[in-house]
Amino acid sequence: GAGVSQTPSNKVTEKGKYVELRCDPISGHTALYWYRQSLGQGPEFLIYFQGTGAADDSGLPNDRFFAVRPEGSVSTLKIQRTERGDSAVYLCASRDSPNTDTQYFGPGTRLTVL
Amino acid sequence: SQQGEEDPQALSIQEGENATMNCSYKTSINNLQWYRQNSGRGLVHLILIRSNEREKHSGRLRVTLDTSKKSSSLLITASRAADTASYFCATDGLSSGSRLTFGEGTQLTVNP
Repeated sequence: GAGVSQTPSNKVTEKGKYVELRCDPISGHTALYWYRQSLGQGPEFLIYFQGTGAADDSGLPNDRFFAVRPEGSVSTLKIQRTERGDSAVYLCASRDSPNTDTQYFGPGTRLTVL
Repeated sequence: SQQGEEDPQALSIQEGENATMNCSYKTSINNLQWYRQNSGRGLVHLILIRSNEREKHSGRLRVTLDTSKKSSSLLITASRAADTASYFCATDGLSSGSRLTFGEGTQLTVNP
C-alpha cells in the first residue's frame, strides 16, 4: 500500500517568509509525528498527534512553529517568519496506534531559508 | 537534545565483511529501534527490540539490547554495497506517545 507522503519535496524560501509543509500519513494510522533533521544529525522530535489533537508539542522550538491535523489524517506544519536556522529536512511519520510501535517515515521536505 | 550516542560515527568495510554499530542511551525505554537512511532523506525501519528482549534477528541483521548498560548493537552480516547508508538507533522512552529520540548515526560505507 501507499506509504507516508510529504509535499513539497524541496522548498526554498526567503528569510521572514511563511511556509507550510504537508504530510499524508498511511491510511488509517491515528498517530502522526513531525521531526526535524539538521545536516549530519539525527532527527529531533517536534510534535505528535493522536487523532486530531496535538498530544505532545514539547519539541516545537518556539512559537513560530505550529502544526494542525484538523480531520485526523493530513497534517500541515506551519513556520512563520522563517529564519536561516530553520533550514533542515522535515520528516513526518505515522503509526498504527495502538497496534504497533513502529513509525513509518515519509521522504521528508528539505527546507532551505535564504 | 539527542539521547543516543552511536559509535563509530563512520565505518568503512569491504563487501562480505560484517559491520557492527553500537548505540548508548540514557533513560529507561519501552523499546529501541534501528533505522537506515539513504542520502539524508526518508528513514527505513529495520528492526525493533523491546526492553524485555535481549536479542533479535531479521535476515542479515542481528540486534542486541543490554538494558543494564543502556546499550544496543546492530550487526549486519555479509555486507553488500547496497548496505551503504546512515544507520540510526532510536529509543522509545517511557513517556506517552512513543516519540522517538534518535542518536547521531553511523555512516556505513561498504566498498565493492
